Amino acid sequence: GAGVSQSPRYKVAKRGQDVALRCDPISGHVSLFWYQQALGQGPEFLTYFQNEAQLDKSGLPSDRFFAERPEGSVSTLKIQRTQQEDSAVYLCASSALQGSTDTQYFGPGTRLTVL
Amino acid sequence: AQSVSQHNHHVILSEAASLELGCNYSYGGTVNLFWYVQYPGQHLQLLLKYFSGDPLVKGIKGFEAEFIKSKFSFNLRKPSVQWSDTAEYFCAVKTNSGYSTLTFGKGTMLLVSP
Repeated sequence: GAGVSQSPRYKVAKRGQDVALRCDPISGHVSLFWYQQALGQGPEFLTYFQNEAQLDKSGLPSDRFFAERPEGSVSTLKIQRTQQEDSAVYLCASSALQGSTDTQYFGPGTRLTVL
Repeated sequence: AQSVSQHNHHVILSEAASLELGCNYSYGGTVNLFWYVQYPGQHLQLLLKYFSGDPLVKGIKGFEAEFIKSKFSFNLRKPSVQWSDTAEYFCAVKTNSGYSTLTFGKGTMLLVSP
């Protein structure tokens, strides 16, 4: 594909609602990352997939956050019972390989606002 | 764990001025270093990267960065900025171990006045 795409671009949720954020990585990319970017901050790591395997979820802030990539391509980040502190831009990135020298390409992000 | 510090949150320059954005990281081992840029309304894009070799790295749009290992620094420079360089700039580091994730600084918002 042309690049990493994410949907929706904007999401407004009432506190307590569940949300699902989608990421379509660049076709053929092995690695997929989710980051959370709060206002005025840099992106912070949430979780990492290598193909369909979730190898690192150490950055997920609570058990309300869940991510999956069942077929090794599209990924979904789900947040249950949203709280106001979940308001942020959620970024997805993919890279072709799995090495530390590989470049990550970012999507446009989903801006989540929890009221 | 590694961390990244960007010295300035906001920088305002006039066109044609020279730019230097500071970035320091803390990690004792081998690192890979990146500068990403986010133009207004656009997504994060890679500006330049350092993996090994020549510590002076040249990127797109006339940007360059110098890796100084002894100072744990990777400052971004451009001799003459343009109005179109107005954007937010993020320094990031990856440790040289397996897949390792990016650790970002808080970003520097650059505003270039025409």
